[in-house]
Amino acid sequence: NAGVMQNPRHLVRRRGQEARLRCSPMKGHSHVYWYRQLPEEGLKFMVYLQKENIIDESGMPKERFSAEFPKEGPSILRIQQVVRGDSAAYFCASSPGQGREKLFFGSGTQLSVL
Amino acid sequence: TQLLEQSPQFLSIQEGENLTVYCNSSSVFSSLQWYRQEPGEGPVLLVTVVTGGEVKKLKRLTFQFGDARKDSSLHITAAQPGDTGLYLCAGRNSGNTPLVFGKGTRLSVIA
Repeated sequence: NAGVMQNPRHLVRRRGQEARLRCSPMKGHSHVYWYRQLPEEGLKFMVYLQKENIIDESGMPKERFSAEFPKEGPSILRIQQVVRGDSAAYFCASSPGQGREKLFFGSGTQLSVL
Repeated sequence: TQLLEQSPQFLSIQEGENLTVYCNSSSVFSSLQWYRQEPGEGPVLLVTVVTGGEVKKLKRLTFQFGDARKDSSLHITAAQPGDTGLYLCAGRNSGNTPLVFGKGTRLSVIA
């Protein structure tokens, strides 16, 4: 009964490179949420996706960030041309449906930009 | 923008003591959740409260939702070192809006 799987757990990139973060939701869950957490900060909502659809991207920076949740395969959060300010822990959560109260979080990807 | 203010930001207590942490907002929430997060891991849901004035108990943890659904508290009785962690409250003002998190209270229980 695997939970939400995120990989890699740690990702190091140099400024200007691309970062790809992957999230496989729990079995049976079709809704995925991405959050970003800075040290001593709460989680900041970034984007909410269903299979093949972006439902709410109000928390996503307008440039360099994109997310997808294809019909097959994991959800991907892509950050192009990373900058030091992108260094953070990125968490993915899944739920079985819209409005369902319980979110199941993965262990996160710690992105470090050198 | 909904803001959830959590207090205190940091709390260090001795094993066996009681404590209360708070989550306050000027916004009304349809539901409010408490999570616990340990270093290097994602948050884990502890409880969801949906009714104003609701009280829920989870072993030594007691959660209360304010009558006006703008605030909540978490009370821990006889804290243990295993309670150490970051406690986050999160609220949603309708079923279609994303969950908004507070910055958390970092609790350290010393044996």
